[in-house]
Amino acid sequence: QVQLVQSGGEVKKPGASVKVSCEASGYTFSDYGISWVRQAPGQGLEWMGWISPYNGQSKYVQKLQGRVTMATDTSTSTAYMELRSLTSDDTAIYYCARDECTGGSCYGLHWFDTWGQGTLVTVSS
Amino acid sequence: SYELTQPPSVSVSPGQTATITCSGDAMPMHHAYWYQLKPGQAPILLIYKGTERPSGIPERFSGSRSGTTVTLTVSGVLAEDAADYYCQSADTSGTSPAFGGGTKLTVL
Repeated sequence: QVQLVQSGGEVKKPGASVKVSCEASGYTFSDYGISWVRQAPGQGLEWMGWISPYNGQSKYVQKLQGRVTMATDTSTSTAYMELRSLTSDDTAIYYCARDECTGGSCYGLHWFDTWGQGTLVTVSS
Repeated sequence: SYELTQPPSVSVSPGQTATITCSGDAMPMHHAYWYQLKPGQAPILLIYKGTERPSGIPERFSGSRSGTTVTLTVSGVLAEDAADYYCQSADTSGTSPAFGGGTKLTVL
């Protein structure tokens, strides 16, 4: 079955970086995109950005531009999300999700049929 | 940024029908999707393209649309349906997803 398995929780100090992995199985990795979504404590879902394992195309939300990098390794069907210069506002559960969009403008194509189990990232001094 | 509007909470008794709405100006131009979130679990896609149910999703979950508002209906609510529900569509540009603020469904 289609599955996304994420790496374990992390505790980081302000200013540090975190890298979360998301290993896909049960489907052809390059046939779908991967989006990253986070949920801060008591808050709603926030889309962070998307990457296409097919051609490496990516896009990030403006507020995270310059701090976030998404990447994929097609040899291991694994996606990665790195977030730098962490602050307490980045404390959240981070989810990867299989995204219908594989490239181009993705007009109306971003939606998520399978999600990872989530990775709690805590930023605290 | 563009955000979809959901009621923060909905409460129903077991066996009743719960309706959760989601509104946005760009909604008529794009499909809507609904997700169920429970603590410690991976989110689940309940409804895609407005009205379609993925395999394995019970028939008691259904989606509909009227103008700028889409609705998730849970018929014959069970205790296990207590969760947070999020709608999702596209933003005004159509090229990025947008989520609603989430609705906490309480089963009394």
